[in-house]
Amino acid sequence: GDSVTQMEGPVTLSEEAFLTINCTYTATGYPSLFWYVQYPGEGLQLLLKATKADDKGSNKGFEATYRKETTSFHLEKGSVQVSDSAVYFCALRPTSGTYKYIFGTGTRLKVLA
Amino acid sequence: GAVVSQHPSWVICKSGTSVKIECRSLDFQATTMFWYRQFPKQSLMLMATSNEGSKATYEQGVEKDKFLINHASLTLSTLTVTSAHPEDSSFYICSATGTSGKGTYEQYFGPGTRLTVT
Repeated sequence: GDSVTQMEGPVTLSEEAFLTINCTYTATGYPSLFWYVQYPGEGLQLLLKATKADDKGSNKGFEATYRKETTSFHLEKGSVQVSDSAVYFCALRPTSGTYKYIFGTGTRLKVLA
Repeated sequence: GAVVSQHPSWVICKSGTSVKIECRSLDFQATTMFWYRQFPKQSLMLMATSNEGSKATYEQGVEKDKFLINHASLTLSTLTVTSAHPEDSSFYICSATGTSGKGTYEQYFGPGTRLTVT
């Protein structure tokens, strides 16, 4: 079945460091891919998305490129801030006939000043 | 983007009582709503999918008699935790999606409701 695998956290970085959070998926066809962010005590906010191969989603300095050949959707940011500390979830929506999302386990990011 | 609200944002109830959580789509018609449960420092676990006017479809292992879901209108779904016990304490998150216009195909998440059962 379809699945999403995220790198284990927590990830601890200094402010202004480069961030990569790996996400790979298993799915048939061309799923839509998403990154969500969850701040402490809050729900999920859509960070960015991509709906077809080679699409690049970007928002607030974060980027991720839909790589069909490697079945990956890694999240990157060139310079993280303390305010980026949160849990990041990679998710996919399968190609066919369902609105259900499949979530990764989440990666906790802590940015130190 | 489309906006989804939840009420209450947090609730404390006594063991054996029931508690209702509301999920509303504020600016679009939500034909499908999802209810998730999140344990501390864990991912979201899908509990059930509800379509407006139909019975909810529960995921395997979720007790439908304990977690009653009603989706009576295109903007409102409710989750009622019946005869709550401390092990039901959790963070409950809803999401909504539509099939046309705003809110189409993507899930838009509510801010979550923290339930504590004492």
